[in-house]
Amino acid sequence: LAKTTQPISMDSYEGQEVNITCSHNNIATNDYITWYQQFPSQGPRFIIQGYKTKVTNEVASLFIPADRKSSTLSLPRVSLSDTAVYYCLVGEGGANNLFFGTGTRLTVIP
Amino acid sequence: EPEVTQTPSHQVTQMGQEVILRCVPISNHLYFYWYRQILGQKVEFLVSFYNNEISEKSEIFDDQFSVERPDGSNFTLKIRSTKLEDSAMYFCASILRPELNTEAFFGQGTRLTVV
Repeated sequence: LAKTTQPISMDSYEGQEVNITCSHNNIATNDYITWYQQFPSQGPRFIIQGYKTKVTNEVASLFIPADRKSSTLSLPRVSLSDTAVYYCLVGEGGANNLFFGTGTRLTVIP
Repeated sequence: EPEVTQTPSHQVTQMGQEVILRCVPISNHLYFYWYRQILGQKVEFLVSFYNNEISEKSEIFDDQFSVERPDGSNFTLKIRSTKLEDSAMYFCASILRPELNTEAFFGQGTRLTVV
C-alpha cells in the first residue's frame, strides 16, 4: 500500500480557496487517489477520486501531476462548515485498501 | 441519497460483557466493512466481508471479534468480552463493487464505552 503524507493541520479564512497537498511517492500503477472528509463524531464521507490530471465535482477539485507522486485537493471558497479532517487515501480500490492516515485537520476561521 | 445506518448510536457496557453493534448497509452493495476510531486517533480497518465470509481482517480483529450477516439486510459486529481499550467509535461501511473504484459509504458510527 502506498504511504501518504499530509500536513497535520491548516487554517484558512472563510471565503478563501484551500489547497491540501498529499504526497504518495510509491503509488502503484493501478492505484487511485481518493479523498474523504470527516466531521467530529461522524463517519468519513467521500469527497472526490481521481487517477490522473484533474477531476472536478460539485464540492472540490483534485489535481494530480503527471508523475502521480502527489495530489492536491482544492476546496473553493471555504465556509465554517468545511472545518473537518481531510484524508488522502491511495489504493487499488475497495475499502480493503482504505487505510486512513492521520489526515489534515482544516480549521476555517470567520 | 442512500445511507448506511448503524444502531445503537451509543452503547455503554461493563468490561467483560458481550456487545453487538448493528449495521444496515446500502441495499445493493456487495462488500461490507467495520472500522474503529479511538478518540483522537485515526480510522482503523478491522474487517471486510463479502459473499457471507470474511475477505480480509486486520491484526486488531482477534478472536474476541466476529461478524455476521444474519439476514439480507443486517451486518453485525460482535465483541465477545469487552475490554476498556475497546472503547471507540465503530463505523460500518459498504461499497457496491470495489473493483470499480466506487466510493465507500460510511455510517454515522456507534460510540462504544466500556466501563
